[in-house]
Amino acid sequence: KQEVTQIPAALSVPEGENLVLNCSFTDSAIYNLQWFRQDPGKGLTSLLLIQSSQREQTSGRLNASLDKSSGRSTLYIAASQPGDSATYLCAVCGSQGNLIFGKGTKLSVKP
Amino acid sequence: GAGVSQSPRYKVAKRGQDVALRCDPISGHVSLFWYQQALGQGPEFLTYFQNEAQLDKSGLPSDRFFAERPEGSVSTLKIQRTQQEDSAVYLCASSLETRGYEQYFGPGTRLTVT
Repeated sequence: KQEVTQIPAALSVPEGENLVLNCSFTDSAIYNLQWFRQDPGKGLTSLLLIQSSQREQTSGRLNASLDKSSGRSTLYIAASQPGDSATYLCAVCGSQGNLIFGKGTKLSVKP
Repeated sequence: GAGVSQSPRYKVAKRGQDVALRCDPISGHVSLFWYQQALGQGPEFLTYFQNEAQLDKSGLPSDRFFAERPEGSVSTLKIQRTQQEDSAVYLCASSLETRGYEQYFGPGTRLTVT
């Protein structure tokens, strides 16, 4: 059974810092991996999708990498801003098409 | 274009009542997924439709949960005889196809059973 783990569970940083969020999964047979952002009381906003054949994806200040063989992904956020404060969720897409999520990393960026 | 919409956004039900939650996917999206998110947890898969066919319902927690998508667009998740443990946010997502396509999520319905 696929399990997704995110470390750390919570992170507080001063504005301007670069930071890394970690995600690991137990079964390397995935179609893709998605990173989402969730603001309190809101739905999920897709940030980046990495197909299983890709190593990384970039969007603005965000960069996500995927090492399928070791079951790891990282989300790198450059020059963090208070508006980046949210919960970040990692999810893998398995053979049945549904997403399996981690519990998330709650990020707080202090001005 | 319009994203995934869900209604109602908030629902309070007394224990034992039936509830119906609606999802309007992005137009033209073949696949539709329902997820349940408990407080402080990641979403968990409930069920999946490809057009009107329910291809996977392995995540439905009990036979009190029922989902349908009769015309391959709008979907309804029904919970009969609600229990307190059903309190959660119910999220709907759609994607152009399945397996490997990006999933787009609605804002969710927060269900509170009292």
